[in-house]
Amino acid sequence: SQTIHQWPATLVQPVGSPLSLECTVEGTSNPNLYWYRQAAGRGLQLLFYSVGIGQISSEVPQNLSASRPQDRQFILSSKKLLLSDSGFYLCAWRMGQTGTQYFGPGTRLLVL
Amino acid sequence: AQSVTQLDSQVPVFEEAPVELRCNYSSSVSVYLFWYVQYPNQGLQLLLKYLSGSTLVESINGFEAEFNKSQTSFHLRKPSVHISDTAEYFCAVSTSGGYQKVTFGTGTKLQVIP
Repeated sequence: SQTIHQWPATLVQPVGSPLSLECTVEGTSNPNLYWYRQAAGRGLQLLFYSVGIGQISSEVPQNLSASRPQDRQFILSSKKLLLSDSGFYLCAWRMGQTGTQYFGPGTRLLVL
Repeated sequence: AQSVTQLDSQVPVFEEAPVELRCNYSSSVSVYLFWYVQYPNQGLQLLLKYLSGSTLVESINGFEAEFNKSQTSFHLRKPSVHISDTAEYFCAVSTSGGYQKVTFGTGTKLQVIP
C-alpha cells in the first residue's frame, strides 16, 4: 500500500530564516505530487505541483520554491521566511486519472 | 475554470441528529467530486468520491453524498452524527482529462454537540 510522510510535524522559525520541508511517498512510482498551504480559517491553497523529477509548476508567485530531486521526494523551501508564511503545509500525491489525491499528515509552521 | 462553494463555514448539530453539509460546484466539463475530512492538526482524509455510475456514494462510517448534475451539487449527509464526527469537511472537484487539477472548497466545520 502507499504511504506519504512529511517532516517535521511542527516547526517554529524566526522571520528571515530559511525553510526546508520534506515529503516522501512510498509504494508507488512516478506519482504527481502537490504542496498546499492551509492558513487559519481558510481553505487549501495549491502552491506547487510536480509531474516528474525536476518538473515543478508554481501556482502562486511568492517567496517559496519547490524541488523534486527524486521520484518520490518533494521539498518545499524558502530562503527567507515571512510572517505570512505561517500555516499548515500539506503534501499530497495523486493516484490514477481521476484526480483523487491522498494527503500527508502535514507540517505546522509558525513564523515569529 | 472550475470552482467549489461551501456556503456553510460552521454547522453545529446535536449528537444523533441528522446533518447535511452543502457543496455546489461550477464546471463546463465533466467532473469528479470528492469529500475530504480533516481532524484537528491532521492531514485530509478521503471520505468518499463520485467518479461515475451511481450518483449516490457512501463512506464506511455512514456518510453519503449524492451527485446532482442539474443542480450542480454534491451535498454530504449523515442520518445520525456522533461526537467523533466533529471535524472540518472539504468538498473538492476535479475535471476529467488533462491535468485534473483539484479545486477545494473553503471547508465546513461540523461541531457535534453532546
